[in-house]
Amino acid sequence: EVQLVESGGGLVQPGGSLRVSCEGSEFTLSIYSMNWVRQAPGKGLEWISYIASSGTPIYYADSVKGRFTISRDNAKNSLYLQMNSLRVEDTAIYYCARQTSQRPFDIWGQGTMVTVSS
Amino acid sequence: DIVMTQAPLSSPVTLGQPASISCRSSQSLVHSDGNTYLSWLQQRPGQPPRLLIYKISNRFSGVPDRFSGSGAGTDFTLKISRVEPEDVGVYYCMQAKQFPITFGGGTKVEIK
Repeated sequence: EVQLVESGGGLVQPGGSLRVSCEGSEFTLSIYSMNWVRQAPGKGLEWISYIASSGTPIYYADSVKGRFTISRDNAKNSLYLQMNSLRVEDTAIYYCARQTSQRPFDIWGQGTMVTVSS
Repeated sequence: DIVMTQAPLSSPVTLGQPASISCRSSQSLVHSDGNTYLSWLQQRPGQPPRLLIYKISNRFSGVPDRFSGSGAGTDFTLKISRVEPEDVGVYYCMQAKQFPITFGGGTKVEIK
């Protein structure tokens, strides 16, 4: 079954760092553009970052620009989100989502929870 | 940024009856390639979002034909012809015409 599996979430203090990962299963992640989307508890969806299949271009939401870095390792069929200078308001479930040229966000992972709290 | 506005916020529906959700964008979603990148997502309770409809009216693989999308330009609609118990959840429209990608606030479909 084609799927995405996120990992790496957890509890971190404000100002801390965390890296979440997303691995593709039963498909070659390297040929797809990828996104990170988050959902704060009880809230809606917020797109936060995009990376093209080749690694560029890369885009970020203003809310995370300068603090978060998206990257990919195509040899490992994986996508990453390095999160620095974390804030309480970054608390959310983080989802990775695949994007094709015609069908944005056609496959989603199950999400990984990131909690920023002292 | 393109603002996506959904209505209603909540839609209580009787099983077997139709439901309709509206989505309006703050500017046209027609891309320079001629496509309109408006999608609909379903999020069941405790589950990740799932793609239902892409490019206004194309059902994604495995999506029942009771779901249909329509619209053009800035006004779009998702219709469920006969609501089933498994349709309970929150529905989001989203635009992928340009970055930042943006989502509507969501419409909760619940059974009356």
